Amino acid sequence: DAGVIQSPRHEVTEMGQEVTLRCKPISGHNSLFWYRQTMMRGLELLIYFNNNVPIDDSGMPEDRFSAKMPNASFSTLKIQPSEPRDSAVYFCASSSYGGAKNIQYFGAGTRLSVL
Amino acid sequence: TQLLEQSPQFLSIQEGENLTVYCNSSSVFSSLQWYRQEPGEGPVLLVTVVTGGEVKKLKRLTFQFGDARKDSSLHITAAQPGDTGLYLCAGAETSGSRLTFGEGTQLTVNP
Repeated sequence: DAGVIQSPRHEVTEMGQEVTLRCKPISGHNSLFWYRQTMMRGLELLIYFNNNVPIDDSGMPEDRFSAKMPNASFSTLKIQPSEPRDSAVYFCASSSYGGAKNIQYFGAGTRLSVL
Repeated sequence: TQLLEQSPQFLSIQEGENLTVYCNSSSVFSSLQWYRQEPGEGPVLLVTVVTGGEVKKLKRLTFQFGDARKDSSLHITAAQPGDTGLYLCAGAETSGSRLTFGEGTQLTVNP
């Protein structure tokens, strides 16, 4: 398996622009997580899905952030409008809910810079 | 909300030294995982401990889960420059699929 695939790897945009991050989880996994990592706050859970259904979005910073999972093999995290404080590395992870000890497999991340 | 406190936050040592990283919580976890993250990559699982008091060894790395399943430690013997990275502990809830991550320990091993 190719693992969790995220795109793009790097994104540079200007304040106010819409940003869409994409994730393809590991085939067969039924849980998907979106995290944000910064030096100041570490790794923060933004939202997670079980069987394509959002379970907990309490980590989503504000209404500018939205996430969708239209099917088992694809998810998006959208920021509209983007702000400089959104600059961070965004990770997607997937796991097999109910499987071995909730092990999560991470993608390589998207490094977002909002100017 | 379950919280995991990790210490130390930063650690810089010389090759060959030993070190221990701690992960503590007031909450009970069904299991605890340790991940290592290298620059430009996502965290990668090192080990999972499930049973209170469990000890697992992975070459020069020794992981221990506290008897009450609230804390864990990672001990590295004779550290090498290749051990450099961000070490993260993560606790699994007793129900549900989410993990609670610690703040991480940035380890630098100097040759």
